[in-house]
Amino acid sequence: QVQLQESGPGLVKPSQTLSLTCTVSGGSISSSGYYWSWIRQHPGKGLEWIGYIYFSGTAYYNPSLKSRVIISLDTSQNQFSLKLSSVTAADTAVYYCARGTGYSNYDYWGQGTLVTVSS
Amino acid sequence: QSALTQPASVSGSPGQSITISCTGTSSDIGAYNYVSWYQQHPAKAPKLIISEVTNRPSGISNRFSGSKSGNTASLTISGLQAEDEADYYCSSYTSSNTLEVFGTGTRVTVL
Repeated sequence: QVQLQESGPGLVKPSQTLSLTCTVSGGSISSSGYYWSWIRQHPGKGLEWIGYIYFSGTAYYNPSLKSRVIISLDTSQNQFSLKLSSVTAADTAVYYCARGTGYSNYDYWGQGTLVTVSS
Repeated sequence: QSALTQPASVSGSPGQSITISCTGTSSDIGAYNYVSWYQQHPAKAPKLIISEVTNRPSGISNRFSGSKSGNTASLTISGLQAEDEADYYCSSYTSSNTLEVFGTGTRVTVL
């Protein structure tokens, strides 16, 4: 059974960089055909796709965040990471990592982690 | 790329059937059969219940079914049960540079 778990600081100061890691167990992030994804949900709001990285290392980002986002793989640790720079209060959200098996098809999700941007 | 449009809320009595619509454009729902539906209970992660318009992942009740016509996708829940009370989101691949777009979300209430 594949499991994903987000980790990282729950509080980030404005203008700093938000850094989260997703640890995958029960499967290899190097396996072909999967998109390792980050999705966020602002408090009381809907879901927003941040981006994903393919098993090959190619990454795709939401254009609205592209200038501030980097998603990377660490195959040695079976983890993938999210870095979001120059954060503001508008980046306060629950951040989920998820496994994509095709377009718009996310079959396993982490439990989510709330990140608050505040001084 | 704007979010896909869903009704804010839908309600029904136990045993009834309800349908949630998800309206997009000819660049997303209308162009591809990559429409998924997710169920989200409070303070929980979303759960995939329909993929590629009509496919149910293993373990998902056959009370959930999906369909598509033109630029609109639909999720039908038949034999409504108390446990179905949750938020539901559609999503679609899009040819816009956004690549992926979610719906606005629908809260289902079981009366």
